[in-house]
Amino acid sequence: KAGVTQTPRYLIKTRGQQVTLSCSPISGHRSVSWYQQTPGQGLQFLFEYFSETQRNKGNFPGRFSGRQFSNSRSEMNVSTLELGDSALYLCASSRPFRVASYEQYFGPGTRLTVT
Amino acid sequence: AQTVTQSQPEMSVQEAETVTLSCTYDTSESDYYLFWYKQPPSRQMILVIRQEAYKQQNATENRFSVNFQKAAKSFSLKISDSQLGDAAMYFCAYRRGGYGGSQGNLIFGKGTKLSVKP
Repeated sequence: KAGVTQTPRYLIKTRGQQVTLSCSPISGHRSVSWYQQTPGQGLQFLFEYFSETQRNKGNFPGRFSGRQFSNSRSEMNVSTLELGDSALYLCASSRPFRVASYEQYFGPGTRLTVT
Repeated sequence: AQTVTQSQPEMSVQEAETVTLSCTYDTSESDYYLFWYKQPPSRQMILVIRQEAYKQQNATENRFSVNFQKAAKSFSLKISDSQLGDAAMYFCAYRRGGYGGSQGNLIFGKGTKLSVKP
């Protein structure tokens, strides 16, 4: 079974631009979560999507947004990029709650550099 | 709010020896899950082991085992017969029990960088 895939793997953007990152979960997984990883702040939760609805949101500004499609694929968008948005963005997928599997499986991440 | 603390930023172990990574957490909830994740350099984060809070028995996965002390809110990871491939960042993570349509997010510790000496 294919793992979680994220595209692109690397991205360089300029301050003020916007960016869209994509995540395809493991087949059969319907919950997708996004995390930001930086050396200073560590791993921080961005948001969680299930059945195309945002179920949970971390403490990030409104410039960070996301969505989930009917095939469970998810995208996150960051508008008006700032230097501090440079990070590894990780996507994780897991099965629906009622299947009683609580592991989150991570993708390889998208390394975003803002200059 | 729940917090996860890993007090050892770096650890080192000799190949074939045993090492224990520490993790403590703080929560007022009774239904939760604890995890150890491994993130090798420039590679994907993978799940090492998980523990359900309602289970008294410590989880074991091959050379990896945990010491779950619920009352002390402690969740340490023991790696036996350490191998060069075990070198990585190890993250302890907490997740509340799910309900409704949300499984809740993972709350991570800052990580412990493990080096394995040949």
